[in-house]
Amino acid sequence: EAGVVQSPRYKIIEKKQPVAFWCNPISGHNTLYWYRQNLGQGPELLIRYENEEAVDDSQLPKDRFSAERLKGVDSTLKIQPAELGDSAVYLCASTSTGGIAEAFFGQGTRLTVV
Amino acid sequence: GQNIDQPTEMTATEGAIVQINCTYQTSGFNGLFWYQQHAGEAPTFLSYNVLDGLEEKGRFSSFLSRSKGYSYLLLKELQMKDSASYLCAVILRGQAGTALIFGKGTTLSVSS
Repeated sequence: EAGVVQSPRYKIIEKKQPVAFWCNPISGHNTLYWYRQNLGQGPELLIRYENEEAVDDSQLPKDRFSAERLKGVDSTLKIQPAELGDSAVYLCASTSTGGIAEAFFGQGTRLTVV
Repeated sequence: GQNIDQPTEMTATEGAIVQINCTYQTSGFNGLFWYQQHAGEAPTFLSYNVLDGLEEKGRFSSFLSRSKGYSYLLLKELQMKDSASYLCAVILRGQAGTALIFGKGTTLSVSS
């Protein structure tokens, strides 16, 4: 079974440019998370989806960040415009809904804003 | 608010036993996970606790006390490959379902 797939693995952009990350969760997993992880820190939750609905986006900086999960499968996270402080690893994770289930993570996208 | 605390760094030697503590103050607690993350890689699942007590899984054990808001991860017979970050994560249940919230992680360095 394929795991959580993210692309690209690495991205370098200049500040003020837009950038988008893509995530394909494990088949059948209804819950999808986007996290941001800075060096030496734990993952910080940005947004959580249950199917196509964003049920928790309280930590998403909405002035520049947006996300979507059309049809409740793949998801994209966008930053426009990017700032130097957005440099981090962006992790996508998925889990089955209901009960206690481990979250499976993708390899992440390492973003560097210069 | 939600708060999850872990020590930032720990060191140990090969063959030793190390205990990584995690304390949490949260609302809607529904369980606790431990993840391992090697540098440059994604977190991988180690264990979870829902009820109080000890869960053993080979060289790794995890303990939970819900009344004290406390958990620990115990690693036995340490190996060099155990050098990694260990993340404590709490499952919170709210009106919109469950969410997985992480602590800042504990970086463990194992030396020979």
